[in-house]
Amino acid sequence: GQQVMQIPQYQHVQEGEDFTTYCNSSTTLSNIQWYKQRPGGHPVFLIQLVKSGEVKKQKRLTFQFGEAKKNSSLHITATQTTDVGTYFCAGLPLNSGYSTLTFGKGTMLLVSP
Amino acid sequence: DAGVIQSPRHEVTEMGQEVTLRCKPISGHDYLFWYRQTMMRGLELLIYFNNNVPIDDSGMPEDRFSAKMPNASFSTLKIQPSEPRDSAVYFCASSFTAGGNTIYFGEGSWLTVV
Repeated sequence: GQQVMQIPQYQHVQEGEDFTTYCNSSTTLSNIQWYKQRPGGHPVFLIQLVKSGEVKKQKRLTFQFGEAKKNSSLHITATQTTDVGTYFCAGLPLNSGYSTLTFGKGTMLLVSP
Repeated sequence: DAGVIQSPRHEVTEMGQEVTLRCKPISGHDYLFWYRQTMMRGLELLIYFNNNVPIDDSGMPEDRFSAKMPNASFSTLKIQPSEPRDSAVYFCASSFTAGGNTIYFGEGSWLTVV
């Protein structure tokens, strides 16, 4: 079946440093979504990417979808303590028919002040 | 909208007891998902329903787990008998269409089996 891998599993940065998490799928994707889960909370939708090579920005967050639609990245510029949490990517296989998103295992981000 | 509502939020039970987790999806959503989250295994999809019909239950770990959706506004996940390794956070989630649309998660049910 489809697999979605995320790296790194964990990253600890100092406030103000940049952070990037990468997502790779074993199959071509129709779209990819990113979610954030705060400690003790539940995953919350951040964004969806659909087009090959698509780049979207949300303030300090930049999301990219690879040209082959098999990988994606989330980059945070100048991290803040409010960025702490686990970031999940979730992909929908291309031509998946009756299927649903496959979540990666997430990247846990810790930001020290 | 109130979002996806789950109950109980926290439960501590003894091994061998039956556990029932409840979920009310967002009104109008036709997909409902049950996930389990642990540190070791991450976020696992257990089962999902479309229009109250179970579509894929391949993630259900074993026969001790069962899920039902008797109507569009209610679902249950039952564990009988419960075991310590079932301790996890169980999330219910819903969406309007599978995959392409946003999945909205409930706040989770934190289960501890002692």
